[in-house]
Amino acid sequence: QQQVKQSPQSLIVQKGGISIINCAYENTAFDYFPWYQQFPGKGPALLIAIRPDVSEKKEGRFTISFNKSAKQFSLHIMDSQPGDSATYFCAASIGSHGSSNTGKLIFGQGTTLQVKP
Amino acid sequence: ETGVTQSPTHLIKTRGQQVTLRCSSQSGHNTVSWYQQALGQGPQFIFQYYREEENGRGNFPPRFSGLQFPNYSSELNVNALELDDSALYLCASSLEGYEQYFGPGTRLTVT
Repeated sequence: QQQVKQSPQSLIVQKGGISIINCAYENTAFDYFPWYQQFPGKGPALLIAIRPDVSEKKEGRFTISFNKSAKQFSLHIMDSQPGDSATYFCAASIGSHGSSNTGKLIFGQGTTLQVKP
Repeated sequence: ETGVTQSPTHLIKTRGQQVTLRCSSQSGHNTVSWYQQALGQGPQFIFQYYREEENGRGNFPPRFSGLQFPNYSSELNVNALELDDSALYLCASSLEGYEQYFGPGTRLTVT
């Protein structure tokens, strides 16, 4: 019940195209859903995050779509660029501060994105 | 504003040895979480420190221990190293646990 399942494992997109990565979760107590971008040899960088009280959040070319009833959320990268080539991780956590679960991020397995020029 | 820093960058240890990894949190952050990332996998939560107290632990044995100092920097200690401990160790700092910002990680190799 603590798992976050991510798909696809890898993705190849042409420059200018839309990259879509999907995640599903089981634990309805999760209330914070971030996406991270990781380049080889680097730590994950926080891209964008959403809470379950909204269905969509957009920041620049990155959009999170959230479906609470289906327990799914996805990352859309518009106008994908070669510089977006990286591994993307979705994650989920329970944010009730003071509990032992605070900030414990459960990560998906990752999606390796390649954007072809 | 200084980001999260970790030291050392790389480390090679022998099975059975002990290791200490260090993390300096981002300015203004009071919470540090540690993660282990095996090659090709997502990070796995080890534990979190909030105001110098352990505040949650993942499925890691007691030989993984930590500390947080009054300036909110943190240490991860691993005793009796095993080959499977070879991984990228990441620390992430946050204010009250929500938006977590990761450091560059320490690559630990156990031979």
